[in-house]
Amino acid sequence: QKEVEQDPGPLSVPEGAIVSLNCTYSNSAFQYFMWYRQYSRKGPELLMYTYSSGNKEDGRFTAQVDKSSKYISLFIRDSQPSDSATYLCAMSATYANTGKLIFGQGTTLQVKP
Amino acid sequence: GAGVSQSPSNKVTEKGKDVELRCDPISGHTALYWYRQSLGQGLEFLIYFQGNSAPDKSGLPSDRFSAERTGGSVSTLTIQRTQQEDSAVYLCASSLNGQGYGYTFGSGTRLTVV
Repeated sequence: QKEVEQDPGPLSVPEGAIVSLNCTYSNSAFQYFMWYRQYSRKGPELLMYTYSSGNKEDGRFTAQVDKSSKYISLFIRDSQPSDSATYLCAMSATYANTGKLIFGQGTTLQVKP
Repeated sequence: GAGVSQSPSNKVTEKGKDVELRCDPISGHTALYWYRQSLGQGLEFLIYFQGNSAPDKSGLPSDRFSAERTGGSVSTLTIQRTQQEDSAVYLCASSLNGQGYGYTFGSGTRLTVV
């Protein structure tokens, strides 16, 4: 079993829809949770970062972490065609140690105009 | 430089040949990471550098893979006797002081072994 599980999709939604992306994990030591966005033939770029449990909002994006359920989510409101990309969740168990991240498989999202 | 630079962007090689992939991190970033992304897969950790040292090499898949970093800057990932299963995108990232949330990735080297 992988440490981090993510539904690869693909997920196709109409413009303006609310998108929910999710990951589950098995390692209870994970404390730092990130979402990366990766456009085709580009490297991943950091979208959201959350420490421990709770919610974090940035514009149209909201990240949620539920450590008791070992479950994290990314919500995208009013989705745009420019949001079409692969979204990767990533987690880390340490701070200022190795900084090694464990990634999910990535979910491919297509937002249709 | 302004970002993480990787070269070449694409590499096609014959099975059994050696290849070298280069990463030029953001100036001043002490931590450097190599990841591998196979088709439809997430990122697989390969190796971590802090300065010129590699305290975590746990992700290197076999002894055909090696990496070095010189001058606390440029890093080279070498794959010897390449196999078809080595075909993937090899991504390099750097961060300030090894903070996981502070990664900046390069665009990767797409390696195809034929």
